[in-house]
Amino acid sequence: AQSVAQPEDQVNVAEGNPLTVKCTYSVSGNPYLFWYVQYPNRGLQFLLKYITGDNLVKGSYGFEAEFNKSQTSFHLKKPSALVSDSALYFCAVRDPHASGGSYIPTFGRGTSLIVHP
Amino acid sequence: KAGVTQTPRYLIKTRGQQVTLSCSPISGHRSVSWYQQTPGQGLQFLFEYFSETQRNKGNFPGRFSGRQFSNSRSEMNVSTLELGDSALYLCASSLAGVGLATYSTIQETQYFGPGTRLLVL
Repeated sequence: AQSVAQPEDQVNVAEGNPLTVKCTYSVSGNPYLFWYVQYPNRGLQFLLKYITGDNLVKGSYGFEAEFNKSQTSFHLKKPSALVSDSALYFCAVRDPHASGGSYIPTFGRGTSLIVHP
Repeated sequence: KAGVTQTPRYLIKTRGQQVTLSCSPISGHRSVSWYQQTPGQGLQFLFEYFSETQRNKGNFPGRFSGRQFSNSRSEMNVSTLELGDSALYLCASSLAGVGLATYSTIQETQYFGPGTRLLVL
C-alpha cells in the first residue's frame, strides 16, 4: 500500500526567506511523486512531479523539490518566498507497481504555507 | 486549451435530497477522477472513470455514484444526502493509459477543476 505524510500542518516564513514544505512517502518500489498547490476557493494546481532521473525537480513559480530515496522524502523548496505563495500545498505519491495497474495517487493532508510580509 | 470545468460551483441542499455534479475534462483527456475534500479528512479519492468505465473506486458508500459519457464528460451523483457530505468535490482529468502499470510523464499528471462546494443543511 502507498501512503504519504506531511508532518507540518502549517509553515510560517518571512517574505524573501527560503521555504521548505516537508513530505515523506511509503511505497513498495520506486515512487511517482507530485506536488500541488491550492489557493482559497480554487481547485488544485499542479506544481511539479518526479518520475525518474535527476533528484532535483524544478517546477512552476520557482518551486523545486528534492527526491531523497534513502530518507523516502520529497520536500518542496523555494529559495525566496513571496506573500503570494501563501496557500495550501499537497504532496501525492503513486506506486507504479500497484496491483491491478491502479494509478490513482494518494494525497497528503496538506500543509498551509503562510508567508509574512 | 481550456481547463477542467465543473458545474455548479456552489450548491446548497437539505438532508435526504440527491445531487448531481458535472465535470468536463480537458479536451483529449479520457480519464476523470473525483475527490472529496473536507477539513477533517483531507483529499479522499471517490472514483475514476476511463472510456465510460469505472476503473477505480475509493472507500465511499453506495450513495456515491458516477458515470462518464462518450465525450469523456463525467457526472457524480450523491443520493440521500447527509450533513457529512458537505465538502468541496474536485474533479481531475488526465490522459492516462489503460491498465498500464507505468505511464509516461504526459499521461501521469492530473489536472484539477475549481471544484463544487456542496453544503448540506
